[in-house]
Amino acid sequence: KQEVTQIPAALSVPEGENLVLNCSFTDSAIYNLQWFRQDPGKGLTSLLLIQSSQREQTSGRLNASLDKSSGRSTLYIAASQPGDSATYLCAVGNSGNTPLVFGKGTRLSVIA
Amino acid sequence: GAGVSQSPSNKVTEKGKDVELRCDPISGHTALYWYRQSLGQGLEFLIYFQGNSAPDKSGLPSDRFSAERTGGSVSTLTIQRTQQEDSAVYLCASSLVSGGDKYTQYFGPGTRLTVL
Repeated sequence: KQEVTQIPAALSVPEGENLVLNCSFTDSAIYNLQWFRQDPGKGLTSLLLIQSSQREQTSGRLNASLDKSSGRSTLYIAASQPGDSATYLCAVGNSGNTPLVFGKGTRLSVIA
Repeated sequence: GAGVSQSPSNKVTEKGKDVELRCDPISGHTALYWYRQSLGQGLEFLIYFQGNSAPDKSGLPSDRFSAERTGGSVSTLTIQRTQQEDSAVYLCASSLVSGGDKYTQYFGPGTRLTVL
């Protein structure tokens, strides 16, 4: 059974700092991995999707990497801003359009 | 275009009552998913619809939970004889199955269910 773990559970950083969020999964036979953002009381917003054949994806100040063989992904946020404060969720799909298995998230606070 | 919508946004019910939660997926998205988010539990999969195929019900926690999808679009999640442990946020997502953006799941704002 696939399990997804995110470390740390919570993180507080000063504005402007670069930071890395970690995600690990137990079964490396994944099809894709998605990073989401969730603001309090809101649904999830997709940030990046990495296919299993890819090593990384970039969107603006966000860069997600995938090391499938070691069961790890990282989300790098450059020059953090208070507006980045949210919970970040990592999820893996074991085949194309199938339900995702989620980690419990990292709650990020960026302090002005 | 319009995103995934869910109704109601909040639902308070008494233990033992039945509730229906609605999801309107993004137009053209043939895959639809229901998840549940409980405090301290993270998101867990409930049920998945893909086109005309039989739904994947493997995540439903008990036979009190059921869902249907009419006309390949709107979906309704029904919880019968609600229990306090059913209190959670119920999230719906949809995705394409072809095209450049396939597999990315788009989520609705959720329905917060409170069972008293």
